Amino acid sequence: QVTLRESGPALVKPTQTLTLTCTFSGFSLSTSGMCVSWIRQTPGKALEWLARIDWDDDRFYSPSLRTRLNISKGTSKNQVVLTMTNMGPVDTATYFCVRINSGLWDSWGQGAPVTVSS
Amino acid sequence: EIVLTQSPGTLSLSPGERATLSCRASQGVSSAYLAWYQQKPGQAPSLLIFAASRRATGIPDRFSGSGSGTDFTLSISRLEPEDFAVYYCHQYGTSPITFGQGTRLEI
Repeated sequence: QVTLRESGPALVKPTQTLTLTCTFSGFSLSTSGMCVSWIRQTPGKALEWLARIDWDDDRFYSPSLRTRLNISKGTSKNQVVLTMTNMGPVDTATYFCVRINSGLWDSWGQGAPVTVSS
Repeated sequence: EIVLTQSPGTLSLSPGERATLSCRASQGVSSAYLAWYQQKPGQAPSLLIFAASRRATGIPDRFSGSGSGTDFTLSISRLEPEDFAVYYCHQYGTSPITFGQGTRLEI
């Protein structure tokens, strides 16, 4: 059974850096064709793709957020970490990690709500 | 980027009726990379349809997807009470990956 779980701070201050961890089980990110993406959903419910990391460590970013994002495999083999710098109120959202299996976006985590406020 | 426009914004129907949801792309989308998701309150989106017309594992056959190019449709043949939710289309063939703004299906 594939599961993913996002973790990180629920509240960050403006200009701070957000670090989110996706901890997963039921698959290996070393398997060919396996990827993990981060998506966020604003309070208005719009979905926005942020970044993706592939089994071979290729990384892809949303062009509009590229300069603020970094995605990496965690120190544990079953983790992916997303950092987003210079957080602002518009970054208030629920952040999801998603497994992509040979192109199929088939499993989502439950989401981590993040509020940016002083 | 490819903009996906879903219509209608809200669809009000009754159980047993047929629902037809539209997703129009600002430029052509490969059918291989068009998906539909269902999202219920407090939950993550859940994959319904991928490659425009293929049902994900465990999805009942009352859900069907069709379309190509710039026009795609999600149909639900006989609405069940659990089908009332928000539906999103998603293209993942052209970077940046984009989502539609959603259609709310309500009773």
